[in-house]
Amino acid sequence: NAGVTQTPKFQVLKTGQSMTLQCAQDMNHNSMYWYRQDPGMGLRLIYYSASEGTTDKGEVPNGYNVSRLNKREFSLRLESAAPSQTSVYFCASSGGLNTEAFFGQGTRLTVV
Amino acid sequence: GENVEQHPSTLSVQEGDSAVIKCTYSDSASNYFPWYKQELGKRPQLIIDIRSNVGEKKDQRIAVTLNKTAKHFSLHITETQPEDSAVYFCAASINSNYQLIWGAGTKLIIKP
Repeated sequence: NAGVTQTPKFQVLKTGQSMTLQCAQDMNHNSMYWYRQDPGMGLRLIYYSASEGTTDKGEVPNGYNVSRLNKREFSLRLESAAPSQTSVYFCASSGGLNTEAFFGQGTRLTVV
Repeated sequence: GENVEQHPSTLSVQEGDSAVIKCTYSDSASNYFPWYKQELGKRPQLIIDIRSNVGEKKDQRIAVTLNKTAKHFSLHITETQPEDSAVYFCAASINSNYQLIWGAGTKLIIKP
């Protein structure tokens, strides 16, 4: 039982490059989330998927897109990376509204 | 929208003493208040949560109190141990909304 698995763990991109962060959970959770974590700012929600087939914007969606591929997988895409997107990204899942969120191990992304 | 403020940003306590971290929220409709612990380089993990129909909740050395009138909630850790050293995050959300709004975090340092 792996929980929430996200890949890659580290990535360096040049400005303007694109990439997709992958996330999968094996807990049969309905809801999945993508957060970014910047020093001194806590976690900020980028996008979430309340259930399979739905996605919604969070606090900071600009520059990102998501796909809820199936119940297990939720990917985050940066179409044209910018230095402001340098951050640690966390995927999370939960059983539903206002329940414990389980996080992946994080992806440290640097955009140069 | 909701705003969560967390204080202090850093807290240093002697091993065995108690630690208290406070958060205030702005939206009176918020009714779910989790606390997450994040060790250095690791993922956030839920340690305790409280809902608005409860004023206090305890789990061994950890307790959370909620004052809905004043719109603040606090994390109390008693008999602190070295393994309590971490960054602690509070968060708040409204029952109808999947968006957790996070505080900026408190770095707890336990001095031997």
